[in-house]
Amino acid sequence: GAVVSQHPSWVICKSGTSVKIECRSLDFQATTMFWYRQFPKQSLMLMATSNEGSKATYEQGVEKDKFLINHASLTLSTLTVTSAHPEDSSFYICSARDRGLAGNTGELFFGEGSRLTVL
Amino acid sequence: AQTVTQSQPEMSVQEAETVTLSCTYDTSENNYYLFWYKQPPSRQMILVIRQEAYKQQNATENRFSVNFQKAAKSFSLKISDSQLGDTAMYFCAFITGTASKLTFGTGTRLQVTL
Repeated sequence: GAVVSQHPSWVICKSGTSVKIECRSLDFQATTMFWYRQFPKQSLMLMATSNEGSKATYEQGVEKDKFLINHASLTLSTLTVTSAHPEDSSFYICSARDRGLAGNTGELFFGEGSRLTVL
Repeated sequence: AQTVTQSQPEMSVQEAETVTLSCTYDTSENNYYLFWYKQPPSRQMILVIRQEAYKQQNATENRFSVNFQKAAKSFSLKISDSQLGDTAMYFCAFITGTASKLTFGTGTRLQVTL
């Protein structure tokens, strides 16, 4: 099946620094990738939709300048948390849609997630 | 607005027994897809089962089956012969034909016990 790899799986950083998380589709091309944030024992909250070659579409309430998303190729999207603060500590998950699947089947393939802890 | 409601925050079932997780949703569209995702302690989301709204026949995947009631906008998941490895968070989700993103429910934490 389709594999999405996320890196790093966990990261600890100091307050004020920036952290980059990568999301790669390993065996398919993904025109669209999604970034989610998940707090403990809660559901996934969509942060933004990342489209290859164009600007990301952010959900209401998500700061564009805080969470920079780049989708430079059909297999890679990155999320950069800029000037991280302790409240940014969370579990970040990416997912990707296979451009090869006919029509909008909706099926997404998820990465393993990245746990960010900001000290 | 499109919403997904999972009214059972937590459930418990004994090994080898059957459990049903409930899910209701709301949409004004007629063409959509429904999903159940499993999130084990490892945190990676895994697709359990998928249902196209235009299909009347309920989807089945081995021990997992759904009861899809389109008129009632209900999409429950039945797990038969529960196994310890089924312990996880289960999320109901759907996507419409015109949307590009999944709408998730709040999840049900399932604990399978001996």
